[in-house]
Amino acid sequence: GNSVTQMEGPVTLSEEAFLTINCTYTATGYPSLFWYVQYPGEGLQLLLKATKADDKGSNKGFEATYRKETTSFHLEKGSVQVSDSAVYFCALKAGYSTLTFGKGTMLLVSP
Amino acid sequence: GAGVSQSPRYKVAKRGQDVALRCDPISGHVSLFWYQQALGQGPEFLTYFQNEAQLDKSGLPSDRFFAERPEGSVSTLKIQRTQQEDSAVYLCASSWGGSSDYEQYFGPGTRLTVT
Repeated sequence: GNSVTQMEGPVTLSEEAFLTINCTYTATGYPSLFWYVQYPGEGLQLLLKATKADDKGSNKGFEATYRKETTSFHLEKGSVQVSDSAVYFCALKAGYSTLTFGKGTMLLVSP
Repeated sequence: GAGVSQSPRYKVAKRGQDVALRCDPISGHVSLFWYQQALGQGPEFLTYFQNEAQLDKSGLPSDRFFAERPEGSVSTLKIQRTQQEDSAVYLCASSWGGSSDYEQYFGPGTRLTVT
């Protein structure tokens, strides 16, 4: 079956630090990969996605590259801001199947 | 434009009570999904509708859970004889279609607490 494993949090960083949140997956077929973000008190929002190997998704300074050889989709940002504090979920979707999410990683950025 | 809305936002139920959670998808969206998110966990799939047809209900944890979307728009998730393990946030999402080409838009969720 499909599964997503992401690093446990919380990840605590100072403003302007470099961020990496690791995500690896197991899937049948060729899934699309996603990062969702959940800000405090808000619903899940799509942050970025990649639909095939070597694709790079990017949005709001975040980026992630679909690595088929390592079955990974790590989220990175070069310089985090306090406003990036949220919970980040890695997810996959294979064909018409539903989204399969990781457990989420909380990011806390201090000024 | 309006996003996905859910009501109520918070629900407290005594164990054994029945509850009904409502989802209003984005107008025109064909596909509708329900997820359950336990505290500290990622959302887990419950069920999927395409228009009024429930195409996948493999994630419903027991026969106490029932979902419907009779006119292909608003959906209701009903939980009968609630148990403490049903306490979670219930998320609804909608999209133009079912494949991964279509983004799922999530509502704010309904937080259910069973006491």
